[in-house]
Amino acid sequence: EVQLVESGGGLVKPGGSLRLSCAASGFIFTNAWMNWVRQAPGMDLEWVALIKSTAVGGTIDYAAPVKGRFTISRDDSKNTVFLQMNSLKSEDTAVYYCTTGGGTFGLDYWGQGIQVTVSS
Amino acid sequence: DIQMTQSPSSLSASVGDRVTITCRASQSFNNYLNWYQQKSGKAPELLIYGASSLHSGVPSRFSGSGSGTDFTLTISSLQPEDAATYFCQQTYSTPLTFGGGTKVEI
Repeated sequence: EVQLVESGGGLVKPGGSLRLSCAASGFIFTNAWMNWVRQAPGMDLEWVALIKSTAVGGTIDYAAPVKGRFTISRDDSKNTVFLQMNSLKSEDTAVYYCTTGGGTFGLDYWGQGIQVTVSS
Repeated sequence: DIQMTQSPSSLSASVGDRVTITCRASQSFNNYLNWYQQKSGKAPELLIYGASSLHSGVPSRFSGSGSGTDFTLTISSLQPEDAATYFCQQTYSTPLTFGGGTKVEI
C-alpha cells in the first residue's frame, strides 16, 4: 500500500521558515517523481514544485510564486522528499500535499496534507 | 502557462443521473489530462489519467474522453458517494495547472 506522510507544518511569522518532510512507503521511491501541491482555504489546487527521479537527472521545477524562496529536495536513502520554505508570506498559508507522479500518469498518490499558517 | 477552464463551476443532480464536466485548455497537448475527486476535508484522489485511463480502484461509472484542448469527465450513474469537487489538471508542461473545480451536489 502506498503511503505518503507529511510532517513539519505549523504556525510561522511572515519572513520565517519551515521545512516540510514527506515520508514515502509502498513503492519504489527512487523511480518516483515527487511533487508538492497546496490549497489555500476555500481555494483551488496550486502545484508548487516537482523533483524528478534521480534516474532521469533529478530535474527540479517550481511555480512562479515560490521560485527563489522554496527548495525541493529528496533523500532516496530515506524515501523522503522535503520542501524548505523561506521568506514565508501570508499568501503561502495553505494545506500542503505531497504527491507522487507527473507526466503521463497524473499525480497518482497523495498524502493527507499538512497545514502551514503564516501569520503574525 | 497552460490555463485550464472547467465548466460548470457547480451542479446539482440526482442519484442515477448521467453527469458531464468539461475542461478546456488554453493550448493543445497530447492527452496529458487528468481528473481528480476531492471530498470535503480530504486530499484529492486521482480518477482518470491520460485523458481516458481509469486509475486503479476507481469505479467504472467514471470515464474520461477528449483530446487537443477539450476534455470531458462523465459519471454514468451518479451515486451518493460521488458528492465532491472535481478538478482537471494538465501534466504536459510545468507549471502543472489545475482547473477551477466543479462542485457536484446530490
